[in-house]
This record gives sequence, C-alpha cells and structure tokens, in this order.
Amino acid sequence: QKEVEQNSGPLSVPEGAIASLNCTYSDRGSQSFFWYRQYSGKSPELIMSIYSNGDKEDGRFTAQLNKASQYVSLLIRDSQPSDSATYLCAVIERRDDKIIFGKGTRLHILP
Amino acid sequence: GAVVSQHPSWVICKSGTSVKIECRSLDFQATTMFWYRQFPKQSLMLMATSNEGSKATYEQGVEKDKFLINHASLTLSTLTVTSAHPEDSSFYICSASVSTDTQYFGPGTRLTVL
Repeated sequence: QKEVEQNSGPLSVPEGAIASLNCTYSDRGSQSFFWYRQYSGKSPELIMSIYSNGDKEDGRFTAQLNKASQYVSLLIRDSQPSDSATYLCAVIERRDDKIIFGKGTRLHILP
Repeated sequence: GAVVSQHPSWVICKSGTSVKIECRSLDFQATTMFWYRQFPKQSLMLMATSNEGSKATYEQGVEKDKFLINHASLTLSTLTVTSAHPEDSSFYICSASVSTDTQYFGPGTRLTVL
C-alpha cells in the first residue's frame, strides 16, 4: 500500500530558528512532491513543489528531495509565529496519477 | 491566482437529511475536480475524481450512491451527501485542476450531522 509518512508532532521551534519537517514515501515511482500548509479549520495551501533530487529554495522555505532514500523535507528559516500550522507532505505516484497526502506535522513556533 | 470557492462554508443538518456542497472555479476552467474528506487530526482522503460531463470515479470504500457527484460544467461540481449520519460529519474540501500537478483547493465545508 502506497503511503506517505510524517511525524505528527507537535514540533516546537523557537522563533527565528530553523524548522525542519520530514516526510518519507513508499512508492519509488513517485515523481512529484509537494508541501502544503494548513491552518486549523482551513484548507491546504501550496507552499512548495519539487520534482528533482536536490534543494529548491523559495524565500524562507527550502524543499529537499532524495529519491534514492524516498525522503523529502521542508526547511523553514527564520521561523515566525505565523508559520505555526500543520504541514502536509503530498506525493503523486506516476501510475495512479493521484495525489496522496501524509497526515501532517503540527509545527508550533514559540515566540 | 486561481480561486476556488465552496458553498456553504459550514452546515449543520439532522440525521437522515441530504446536504449539497458546491465547488466553483471562479476565474479558470477546471478539467477535473477532486473531492476530499478530512477528519480531525487526519490527512486529506480523496473521495472521488470528477471530470466535466462524465461520471465521477470513486475511491475504494467510498459509496457512490451516498456521495453523489455532479460535474455539470467546467466551473462547477457538486457533492451531495445523501441520508447523512453523524459519522459523515467531517471537513469536505474540493480542488479544481488543469493537471494533477496543479490543484487549487477550495476553502472547505464543515459538515456536522446531528
């Protein structure tokens, strides 16, 4: 069964520090990877997408992908209280062409 | 950016009644719309995929006769929860897309069945 695994947290990080969120996936055929942020009671919003091995940076966010290890991560630099949310890792597996979401990691930025 | 709306944003209904949720893409035409359900502290679970003018494709374990999906146009899809029961209480989210890689989520509908 194809799965996307995340530590549910909560992950507590001091304001201004780097928050590191991790995700593993089970299907080696996966080709597209996404990080979504979801505030309580709201729908997810896309933060980053990554398709190739390595790092992709966008402002304070860096996504890292390692297909050999089936691992994708999200780094948030200079964490702000507004970054406190649940972060969902999502993966598209080529065969099904469906997006599979992890359960999310709750991030709490300590002021 | 692309905007997707959902209506209503929340609804409370009695057990046994039916509830219709609308999903609209406001400034683009979506070839495909997805319906998700999210229980508290759980992940988004895909319920069904609908394409304009054709029958929806339901995920395993989702009752197609209970969750009726109509995708009448490239900008509107509806989900009707028929004979709702308390266990159907959840957060229902739609997304509209032009490709699987690019999905725009609606704001969600909170359904509470008494």
